[in-house]
Amino acid sequence: DIQMTQSPSTLSASVGDTVTITCRASQSLSKWLAWYQQKPGKAPKLLMYRASTLEDGVPVRFSGSGSGTEFTLTISGLQPDDFATYYCQQYNSYPWTFGQGTKVEVK
Amino acid sequence: EVQLVESGGDLVQPGGSLRLSCAASGFTFSDYVMGWVRQPPGKGLEWVAAISVTGTTAYYADSVKGRFTISRDNSKNTVSLQMNSLSAEDTALYYCAKDWGVNSCYDFWGQGTLVTVSS
Repeated sequence: DIQMTQSPSTLSASVGDTVTITCRASQSLSKWLAWYQQKPGKAPKLLMYRASTLEDGVPVRFSGSGSGTEFTLTISGLQPDDFATYYCQQYNSYPWTFGQGTKVEVK
Repeated sequence: EVQLVESGGDLVQPGGSLRLSCAASGFTFSDYVMGWVRQPPGKGLEWVAAISVTGTTAYYADSVKGRFTISRDNSKNTVSLQMNSLSAEDTALYYCAKDWGVNSCYDFWGQGTLVTVSS
């Protein structure tokens, strides 16, 4: 199974900051990686797929990059609505696996 | 509008069984792979299972293989998860999710149904 490792686990930031979350895979995914945002008590929301393609309706301050085994999610100009937990997920090969999550909290 | 509505979550004793269902609407159900993802209280997401568009192929996480069975009924637009030999480690909110395409990520999720395994 492919192991996904996210860092950091928690990130403290302020409105307007640019933040970056990293996801590393135990083997190459090509670009088969997705990012989700989850707020307390809510279902996850797809932000990005194929590593860098923004899902419809997701603000352009979110961007993704990477291929192979290392990927990043960047939020440029953090907004109050962005404080949440973010997960990466590989869909290169079953079983799909998620990273452990990164909580973006108010500094 | 895509809607996924899960049901069937309950309190069950260790060793017991439970069947979850997910009713889908707002899209051509038979065109999409469907999956289940769970989240233990206060913890991260864990992918559980997925099923092909025709229902002939299923995929499982190692943690549930041999105990859980995913199925679908394209005539009723439903996907189900039969869970047997439940243990405390299976306690979680179970989400039904629609694949973005075929064997891809998940673009729509239900609100989840809670399974609690406890004596």
